[in-house]
Amino acid sequence: EPEVTQTPSHQVTQMGQEVILRCVPISNHLYFYWYRQILGQKVEFLVSFYNNEISEKSEIFDDQFSVERPDGSNFTLKIRSTKLEDSAMYFCASSGYLDYGYTFGSGTRLTVV
Amino acid sequence: AQSVSQHNHHVILSEAASLELGCNYSYGGTVNLFWYVQYPGQHLQLLLKYFSGDPLVKGIKGFEAEFIKSKFSFNLRKPSVQWSDTAEYFCAVRSTDKLIFGTGTRLQVFP
Repeated sequence: EPEVTQTPSHQVTQMGQEVILRCVPISNHLYFYWYRQILGQKVEFLVSFYNNEISEKSEIFDDQFSVERPDGSNFTLKIRSTKLEDSAMYFCASSGYLDYGYTFGSGTRLTVV
Repeated sequence: AQSVSQHNHHVILSEAASLELGCNYSYGGTVNLFWYVQYPGQHLQLLLKYFSGDPLVKGIKGFEAEFIKSKFSFNLRKPSVQWSDTAEYFCAVRSTDKLIFGTGTRLQVFP
């Protein structure tokens, strides 16, 4: 069964540093997403990406965040200057035709110290 | 904006007990509804989804959910739970091209 792959599985960074979280979506999927889950809380939508541009973003996705699909296979989330409150599990997801559900990756646990 | 409510935050059951987890959504039009499971330390896995047709949806691992439009509900059920069902369960609704998740229900099953 096709999978969404995320690397690294765990990243520790100092406050103020830039981090890049990487995802390889399912190859024939067209829609890509980032979600985050702060420990003990619900899964929150960050951003959706289609046709090489952001299609929707949440209030959480401020100027510190950016996404990119640099090479047709990877999908990255960059946080320019991390804050303590960015500590969370970040999930990448992809979808083919919208009505057929979303496949999630295993997540990257980001710890900002 | 669409929203999802899961009123059961923590459910504790013994093996073989029946399970029903509540999910209510806010939007009154056409909805796409999902249940995801998150086992400890793992990613979200799709249990089942509803788009249209038969309101009783059967998913993996013996789970099912019933879409009741008049009640804005999509409750998850399983007739007999197992210890391996211990996990967090999230109901979600599609809004434009994203999922809106509920706060989740933590299920603990004891042998």
